[in-house]
Amino acid sequence: NAGVTQTPKFQVLKTGQSMTLQCAQDMNHNSMYWYRQDPGMGLRLIYYSASEGTTDKGEVPNGYNVSRLNKREFSLRLESAAPSQTSVYFCASRTDAISGANVLTFGAGSRLTVL
Amino acid sequence: AQSVTQPDIHITVSEGASLELRCNYSYGATPYLFWYVQSPGQGLQLLLKYFSGDTLVQGIKGFEAEFKRSQSSFNLRKPSVHWSDAAEYFCAVHKAAGNKLTFGGGTRVLVKP
Repeated sequence: NAGVTQTPKFQVLKTGQSMTLQCAQDMNHNSMYWYRQDPGMGLRLIYYSASEGTTDKGEVPNGYNVSRLNKREFSLRLESAAPSQTSVYFCASRTDAISGANVLTFGAGSRLTVL
Repeated sequence: AQSVTQPDIHITVSEGASLELRCNYSYGATPYLFWYVQSPGQGLQLLLKYFSGDTLVQGIKGFEAEFKRSQSSFNLRKPSVHWSDAAEYFCAVHKAAGNKLTFGGGTRVLVKP
């Protein structure tokens, strides 16, 4: 059982370039999330998806777009990367089952550097 | 809006000594409370959670946390740390009926031999 898989693990971009971070989960979870992690700021929510076909903004959505392609996959796109988007990005998913309610399962992270 | 404060950015502790990490939250009602641990280069792993009931909760790796409503706190403790406990620890808060988890800034724990 792989859990939450993110690709790529590392990426270096130049300012203005675009890229997509991919995330897939094999736990049949309904909800999926994208967070960014910056030193001293913990994890901040970028976007989330409560179910297939729905997405909502989190705390820091500017400069990002998301797609909930199907129940398994939730991608994060940077259309025109900026140095301020240098960060470690985490995808997570959550079951709606009562026994596992509100517990997130995280991927290993994607480290992005924008020059 | 809910918020989470972890007052200590760094803590250094000797192996075998006790550890306490502080967490305070700001929220009108009792939220769901969590502690996650992140080892270097890894994702986040759930240590323990509090939803309701007994205010002292046990987690994995010998950790426990105590919910104190009067102090809006959810401090994490371990009686005797091991070198493998060196990591970053995050407290998080989730509204009972909500869909979003709010994290504190994290506390990095260094373990001296």
